[in-house]
Amino acid sequence: DQQVKQNSPSLSVQEGRISILNCDYTNSMFDYFLWYKKYPAEGPTFLISISSIKDKNEDGRFTVFLNKSAKHLSLHIVPSQPGDSAVYFCAAKISGNTPLVFGKGTRLSVIA
Amino acid sequence: KAGVTQTPRYLIKTRGQQVTLSCSPISGHRSVSWYQQTPGQGLQFLFEYFSETQRNKGNFPGRFSGRQFSNSRSEMNVSTLELGDSALYLCASSLGTGETGGYTFGSGTRLTVV
Repeated sequence: DQQVKQNSPSLSVQEGRISILNCDYTNSMFDYFLWYKKYPAEGPTFLISISSIKDKNEDGRFTVFLNKSAKHLSLHIVPSQPGDSAVYFCAAKISGNTPLVFGKGTRLSVIA
Repeated sequence: KAGVTQTPRYLIKTRGQQVTLSCSPISGHRSVSWYQQTPGQGLQFLFEYFSETQRNKGNFPGRFSGRQFSNSRSEMNVSTLELGDSALYLCASSLGTGETGGYTFGSGTRLTVV
């Protein structure tokens, strides 16, 4: 049972345009959400997070939006750069000593 | 500060063998979590160790086991290897005090079972 779903395996965007990566979750107990970025042959690196008490969090070119009623979050990258090309993982957790639950990832390709 | 170190980076094993992977967390981090990444399956949680005790466990068969030492270094063992165990195994370290975020991943061990 996939509790965190990233339904788009891949996404191609032109350099300078907006990239929007989507994530859905089924467990209403999740109250913290994170995005990780992964390059080949490297471990995932933390990008941005959001608590369920917020609906938006911004960090430079990266913004995460959370829609709790729809159990949906999205990551916006503006403007997209070729160096953003990587696999992006959405992750969720329940506060406390609980594990991160990951989606299957979306491969973003930013074309120059 | 030094990051999370996983050894070895690459391994090739034969079906039926057993393997041990190692993870050294960031200094001061007491929690180590293990994940399996396979194509199309994302990162699947194996287990978490905190202060030498398994605190959380994912839905993997008993062939997958782990332990943690007093210096917080952790090992993961897979016995009776199957072809489907071929994957990238990642460990993540954190303080382990229930903080959100703060998970730092190692570069992983690529295991190939032939």
